[in-house]
Amino acid sequence: QKEVEQNSGPLSVPEGAIASLNCTYSDRGSQSFFWYRQYSGKSPELIMSIYSNGDKEDGRFTAQLNKASQYVSLLIRDSQPSDSATYLCAVNRASGNEKLTFGTGTRLTIIP
Amino acid sequence: NAGVTQTPKFQVLKTGQSMTLQCAQDMNHNSMYWYRQDPGMGLRLIYYSASEGTTDKGEVPNGYNVSRLNKREFSLRLESAAPSQTSVYFCASSRGTGERQPQHFGDGTRLSIL
Repeated sequence: QKEVEQNSGPLSVPEGAIASLNCTYSDRGSQSFFWYRQYSGKSPELIMSIYSNGDKEDGRFTAQLNKASQYVSLLIRDSQPSDSATYLCAVNRASGNEKLTFGTGTRLTIIP
Repeated sequence: NAGVTQTPKFQVLKTGQSMTLQCAQDMNHNSMYWYRQDPGMGLRLIYYSASEGTTDKGEVPNGYNVSRLNKREFSLRLESAAPSQTSVYFCASSRGTGERQPQHFGDGTRLSIL
């Protein structure tokens, strides 16, 4: 089992719809969770962080965390073509190793 | 405010050549990291420096060395480049290595080893 798993996609969503991206992690003690957006040929850019169970909203983005089920998700409302990118989930493990572990990313395409 | 700056942006090497990738941050961050990104493999940590004067191995350190020159600068050296080291290399920094410490990335170095 990978430490951080994401569906590689591609995930295609019509413009204006809600895009839902999911991530599961294996270390039950993980405490910090981040979503990065990476455009093709560019570097990862932090878009959301979440540390507590529940939802966290920032503009069109909502991060959801469920530690009991060990998953974290990212919802993008009113999807725009500019949202087309690869989304990376990153988890800070709490097993004495405080480095981030990244998933392989989900490629999202917004269809006009 | 530049954030994390990496040089060079592109480089082509021949097998066996050596080179150093440079990284500097101006955010007064304590921790710095070097990753490589390969298709289908995601970001893999090569080395990191939790604070000035310390360095530690990550997931894929073989074939690389690092130097934390000062708080701002963290370099990655390939002593004898191999085709398997063809990749995109990212430097990142964070305030610390603890919880709730997101990392901020440079623009990357695209390295090809022939």
